[in-house]
Amino acid sequence: GQQVMQIPQYQHVQEGEDFTTYCNSSTTLSNIQWYKQRPGGHPVFLIQLVKSGEVKKQKRLTFQFGEAKKNSSLHITATQTTDVGTYFCAGINTGGFKTIFGAGTRLFVKA
Amino acid sequence: SAVISQKPSRDICQRGTSLTIQCQVDSQVTMMFWYRQQPGQSLTLIATANQGSEATYESGFVIDKFPISRPNLTFSTLTVSNMSPEDSSIYLCSVVVGGEQFFGPGTRLTVL
Repeated sequence: GQQVMQIPQYQHVQEGEDFTTYCNSSTTLSNIQWYKQRPGGHPVFLIQLVKSGEVKKQKRLTFQFGEAKKNSSLHITATQTTDVGTYFCAGINTGGFKTIFGAGTRLFVKA
Repeated sequence: SAVISQKPSRDICQRGTSLTIQCQVDSQVTMMFWYRQQPGQSLTLIATANQGSEATYESGFVIDKFPISRPNLTFSTLTVSNMSPEDSSIYLCSVVVGGEQFFGPGTRLTVL
């Protein structure tokens, strides 16, 4: 079945450093979504990418969707302690409606 | 957007018992989704619940273990039956509104 792989599993950064998490799907995706889950909280929707090669920005966050629509990345510039949490990618395969979540990348930011 | 509430927020249960989790959405939605998130893990889809029909279960999940009700377009329940410690997890309901997926706050279940 469809798999969505995400790396790294964990990332420790110093405040001010950049951070990137990568997501790869075994099948072509109709779209990909990114979520943030704070410790003890529930996943919160960040963004959805639909078009091949799409790049979207939200302040210090940059999201990319690969040309083949099988991979994606989330990059955070100059991390802050408020960025702490687990970032999940989630994909819906072409023709489907179910969201398959990656394993998540847990970000730790040291002040 | 969608606002989702879940009850209970947490519970500690004895093995062999059952717990029913309620999910209420502030708008009418066709599909409601139930996920499980084990400690430190990702989200796994349990089933998709449509109003007026039986839920569709994912591989590894069966109706006898996780019966679901969907009596109307704003409400659903998930029952965790004959619980064992392996069922200890966070259970989340979710809906998609306007292309965005929203999650409830989750029910943290501990089975002793």
